[in-house]
Amino acid sequence: KQEVTQIPAALSVPEGENLVLNCSFTDSAIYNLQWFRQDPGKGLTSLLLIQSSQREQTSGRLNASLDKSSGRSTLYIAASQPGDSATYLCAVNSGGGADGLTFGKGTHLIIQP
Amino acid sequence: DAGVTQSPTHLIKTRGQQVTLRCSPKSGHDTVSWYQQALGQGPQFIFQYYEEEERQRGNFPDRFSGHQFPNYSSELNVNALLLGDSALYLCASSSGTGGRRSPSSREQYFGPGTRLTVT
Repeated sequence: KQEVTQIPAALSVPEGENLVLNCSFTDSAIYNLQWFRQDPGKGLTSLLLIQSSQREQTSGRLNASLDKSSGRSTLYIAASQPGDSATYLCAVNSGGGADGLTFGKGTHLIIQP
Repeated sequence: DAGVTQSPTHLIKTRGQQVTLRCSPKSGHDTVSWYQQALGQGPQFIFQYYEEEERQRGNFPDRFSGHQFPNYSSELNVNALLLGDSALYLCASSSGTGGRRSPSSREQYFGPGTRLTVT
């Protein structure tokens, strides 16, 4: 059974800092991995999708890497801003003929102005 | 381009009642998945519908059932509600491949969710 762990559970940093969020998964046989952002009480916004054959994806100030063999992914946020404050969720698609995602519990990020 | 929509936004029900939640997928998408997110937790996969059939199911009891219509919209039904069913219910859609082969490349798009409170 796939399990996804996110570290740290919470993080508070001053504005302008670069930061790294970590995600690990127990079964390396994945099809892809997605990073999401969730604002309080809201739905999920997709940030980046990394296919199993890829090593990284970039979108603006965000960069996500994937090391499938070690079961790890990182989300790098450059020059953090107060608007980046949210919960960040990592999810893996282990295939099996459908798209059911397995999620971690998330990292609650606060960027201090 | 309309994204994934869900209705209602909020719902309050009493233990033992039944509830139906609705989802319309993003334009061009034909696959709908449902997730339950308890407070402070990551979403848990309930089931997925493709071509009007349940294709995969997570670890949820039979009280949770669903349906997909020819226009790809979907409903989630929960019978005999328990206090523990209180959660944010999220719908996600993705683009099918025209068949049942491995969906390795499909990005999932989520709706705003329905907040269900069971009292």
